[in-house]
Amino acid sequence: DQQVKQNSPSLSVQEGRISILNCDYTNSMFDYFLWYKKYPAEGPTFLISISSIKDKNEDGRFTVFLNKSAKHLSLHIVPSQPGDSAVYFCAASFYNNNDMRFGAGTRLTVKP
Amino acid sequence: KAGVTQTPRYLIKTRGQQVTLSCSPISGHRSVSWYQQTPGQGLQFLFEYFSETQRNKGNFPGRFSGRQFSNSRSEMNVSTLELGDSALYLCASSSRTGLTGELFFGEGSRLTVL
Repeated sequence: DQQVKQNSPSLSVQEGRISILNCDYTNSMFDYFLWYKKYPAEGPTFLISISSIKDKNEDGRFTVFLNKSAKHLSLHIVPSQPGDSAVYFCAASFYNNNDMRFGAGTRLTVKP
Repeated sequence: KAGVTQTPRYLIKTRGQQVTLSCSPISGHRSVSWYQQTPGQGLQFLFEYFSETQRNKGNFPGRFSGRQFSNSRSEMNVSTLELGDSALYLCASSSRTGLTGELFFGEGSRLTVL
């Protein structure tokens, strides 16, 4: 039961341009959404999160948008840098519950 | 502050064997979660322990089990290994005191079943 889906397994963008990673979910009861970044041979690291009561959260070059009616969230990276090349996982959870549901990940490649 | 430590990092087993993986959370973190990562499946939740009690469990067969000790260290065990159990097993800890739900992951234990 894949409650969180990342339909694009890979994305390639040019350095300096915008990267947009997408995520869809099916359970409307999720109330917290997170993005994690994973480099090879490392564990995922937390990037940015958003509560279901908001529709946008920004942290430097990273912005997450949440569209609850569409059950869709996206991560925007502007400007993209080669060091951003990694696998990005979208995750959703219920309030104060660490049973997070992750998407399959999107491999982002930022070309110099 | 030391991060989440998982041992062993790599191991190879044969079908039918059992394996035990260990996780030491960040000091002060009382919640430990385990995830299985396989290509194309992302991270799938196995279980979460908090104060030595299993609080949540994912949809995995009973061959997958875990426990947490009084010092918050956790172990997971997989018995009667199958080829499909080959994966990266990730442990994550959390303080559960904030509202962010942020998990801190270890580097994982890569299990290969032959």
